[in-house]
Amino acid sequence: QLQLQESGPGLVKPSETLSLFCTVSGVSVSSSQYYWGWIRQPPGRGLEWIGTLSYTGSTYSNPSLESRVTISVDTSKNQFSLKLSSVTAADTAVYYCARPLPVAGLAFAPWGQGTLVTVSS
Amino acid sequence: EIVLTQSPATLSLSPGERATLSCRASQSVIDYLAWYQQKPGQAPRLLIYDASNRATGIPARFSGSGSGTDFTLTISSLEPEDFAVYYCQQRSNWPPTWTFGQGTKVEIK
Repeated sequence: QLQLQESGPGLVKPSETLSLFCTVSGVSVSSSQYYWGWIRQPPGRGLEWIGTLSYTGSTYSNPSLESRVTISVDTSKNQFSLKLSSVTAADTAVYYCARPLPVAGLAFAPWGQGTLVTVSS
Repeated sequence: EIVLTQSPATLSLSPGERATLSCRASQSVIDYLAWYQQKPGQAPRLLIYDASNRATGIPARFSGSGSGTDFTLTISSLEPEDFAVYYCQQRSNWPPTWTFGQGTKVEIK
């Protein structure tokens, strides 16, 4: 059964780079036609898609975040990661990793439990 | 960019009642529309994909309908565990982008 688990620092200083990891269990992170994604949720607010990495090697990002987002895969650790550069307080949120599921129209399932990242000096 | 507008923002109902949630897209999303349920402190859970297909393990009381720009999530008879926030989400074909609606909270009346 596919499971995802986020990890990374809970506190990041303004202007620095936020780095999060999503450990995948139950399937190889490089399995055929894979997609992996990141979504965030500011406290008390709705969901915002950050970006998705596809098996073609292409990354698709929210236009509002595109210039700051890097998503990559580490097959040796069966993980994928998110880097978000030049963070501000507006980037404070719970960050979720999730799989866009090809058999479900690339809807997200499953999701990790989420990790809270606070941007503050 | 496609914008999804959900209505109402809050729906106050009693257990056993029928819930009807709306999601309207600013342009056609064909049927690339999904619905999620989120309870406090939990990650969202996929309920419906491709507008009308129930995800694995989702009870039959949840159903989705619509195409193009207007979509509906119906909960036929609310159970106590159904009181939560519901989000719709669309995926554009090219370039692939995903967008969420702002959510509808279903609360106990």
